[in-house]
Amino acid sequence: DAGITQSPRHKVTETGTPVTLRCHQTENHRYMYWYRQDPGHGLRLIHYSYGVKDTDKGEVSDGYSVSRSKTEDFLLTLESATSSQTSVYFCAISEYGGSSGANVLTFGAGSRLTVL
Amino acid sequence: GQQVMQIPQYQHVQEGEDFTTYCNSSTTLSNIQWYKQRPGGHPVFLIQLVKSGEVKKQKRLTFQFGEAKKNSSLHITATQTTDVGTYFCAREGGSEKLVFGKGTKLTVNP
Repeated sequence: DAGITQSPRHKVTETGTPVTLRCHQTENHRYMYWYRQDPGHGLRLIHYSYGVKDTDKGEVSDGYSVSRSKTEDFLLTLESATSSQTSVYFCAISEYGGSSGANVLTFGAGSRLTVL
Repeated sequence: GQQVMQIPQYQHVQEGEDFTTYCNSSTTLSNIQWYKQRPGGHPVFLIQLVKSGEVKKQKRLTFQFGEAKKNSSLHITATQTTDVGTYFCAREGGSEKLVFGKGTKLTVNP
């Protein structure tokens, strides 16, 4: 697969604690995305980025923030984790955006987060 | 962008049987993508369909895009245990976003 790594791969934390997930890519792709996957809901977009310091919200952005200070890194932060944020989080990258008609995503291996 | 509806949500087949999953939209799609996620894995891109009525094949997998560009299907002929996983369709959701269906989970009995 393309050079995309997520860290940590597994994390258990307690309600109310801050959590940051990191996505790192070596492909120099412009677009980066954070999705969460839950049973019965498929993949839902949290936030995405279309360049350094350029980010926008997805359909389930409440309780999450993101930052992209470098092309290769896209961070997802849960300021105060809640049990409803227990999920598997996938980062994805794309060379082209949606308007190009070639917005093919390459996914990372995922980060499993459990909030107790 | 509106979500795409996938049916069925689950499908259990005997090895060697055929399998089909459907993806439906209430609005016209510019294109449709299909991804496969193996158990415990991450989604992997399979194919993109762009043209009305388009049909593409990948070995035992046949992908179709409807004439009205509002629906798509993935058909697997003579399933094998390696086909196990969840199949997602995805549409462009505007502003660089990709919106996924909820997926069809396929299990295959050997």
